[in-house]
Amino acid sequence: GQNIDQPTEMTATEGAIVQINCTYQTSGFNGLFWYQQHAGEAPTFLSYNVLDGLEEKGRFSSFLSRSKGYSYLLLKELQMKDSASYLCAVATDYKLSFGAGTTVTVRA
Amino acid sequence: ETGVTQTPRHLVMGMTNKKSLKCEQHLGHNAMYWYKQSAKKPLELMFVYNFKEQTENNSVPSRFSPECPNSSHLFLHLHTLQPEDSALYLCASSQEILAGSSTDTQYFGPGTRLTVL
Repeated sequence: GQNIDQPTEMTATEGAIVQINCTYQTSGFNGLFWYQQHAGEAPTFLSYNVLDGLEEKGRFSSFLSRSKGYSYLLLKELQMKDSASYLCAVATDYKLSFGAGTTVTVRA
Repeated sequence: ETGVTQTPRHLVMGMTNKKSLKCEQHLGHNAMYWYKQSAKKPLELMFVYNFKEQTENNSVPSRFSPECPNSSHLFLHLHTLQPEDSALYLCASSQEILAGSSTDTQYFGPGTRLTVL
């Protein structure tokens, strides 16, 4: 089976930076996705990495190391609206396998 | 608004009822998916359709029956469900499967919150 691990919860202050780590052990690899999910809403796509390195998109960046089975999502200049669950997902075969999600709480 | 719509948004049903969930995507995608999301658990893939053909049935009980009449529409028919089937059911679509590129990105609908009494 696929094994994808990420911390359950993180708390940070408005304006700060938070890094959400994701480690994976999967059979095959076709890319790694990060999604944001606010309570009661659908997951929304944030980023996609298939090659090693850093992808930057505004306040959000995502990093991938395939040899280490490791990724992180970096959220900069945190805003209250960034309070949400962040899901790491690995594409293998026809599937996306998801981690359980990291709930980020941003405090004023 | 992701271009994927689901109805109904909320559904309460008894164990002997039959109901259907509907998903429609307006993105011109070729692949559609059903997921189950239970509290504190990872999203669980249920079914995958690519060009209307089912490519994955992730060991889902037969009380869940999918139907994909065309690339834009996906249904999940429910009958004789159990209380443990109560969850958020999410539909998603993607341009491609296994392209190894950003066209594999899945876009999710808002989900149907299902409660089985």
